[in-house]
Amino acid sequence: DARVTQTPRHKVTEMGQEVTMRCQPILGHNTVFWYRQTMMQGLELLAYFRNRAPLDDSGMPKDRFSAEMPDATLATLKIQPSEPRDSAVYFCASGLVLDTQYFGPGTRLTVL
Amino acid sequence: GIQVEQSPPDLILQEGANSTLRCNFSDSVNNLQWFHQNPWGQLINLFYIPSGTKQNGRLSATTVATERYSLLYISSSQTTDSGVYFCAVAFMYSGGGADGLTFGKGTHLIIQP
Repeated sequence: DARVTQTPRHKVTEMGQEVTMRCQPILGHNTVFWYRQTMMQGLELLAYFRNRAPLDDSGMPKDRFSAEMPDATLATLKIQPSEPRDSAVYFCASGLVLDTQYFGPGTRLTVL
Repeated sequence: GIQVEQSPPDLILQEGANSTLRCNFSDSVNNLQWFHQNPWGQLINLFYIPSGTKQNGRLSATTVATERYSLLYISSSQTTDSGVYFCAVAFMYSGGGADGLTFGKGTHLIIQP
């Protein structure tokens, strides 16, 4: 049963620290997405890649967030420096072009 | 701007009841998905349905793309159906990429035994 995996599942850190979240998409999926869920904003798209190339990162605060796909099996989302307002659940999803997006279990980030 | 609106925001039902959840969207779509977010926070795919009708057990969904709405039907509700139901769409003419999903605020469903 193919699934999107994310690590870590939970992360507590202090303001100013670097945070790295990792995602392993489903094998064969060529599109990878990062979403964030907060109580105030709900679920929102941060960025996404196709064939490892960034297609859209307009939802991402550029000054502190960066997203990369070092290879087809790994996507990373980094926050440096982290701030309390970054506390949220970060979801990774993968899929094929104009097809179902499958979501990972999420990383729950708390920035103190 | 582009919008996804879901109704009702909250719904409390007794076990065994049927329900209809609605999603209105403001523009042409490439993708429309329904999700169930369970109490543990997992987003579970229910349907990929940019148009037409699909059924899966007690759940079914219909999207009328020309009229810009989708409906999710839940029949014979069970307590395990509780959670938040999200509609999410990828708009055909979004300013950025055309694949990213825009989510509605969800319908919070509580099924009481």
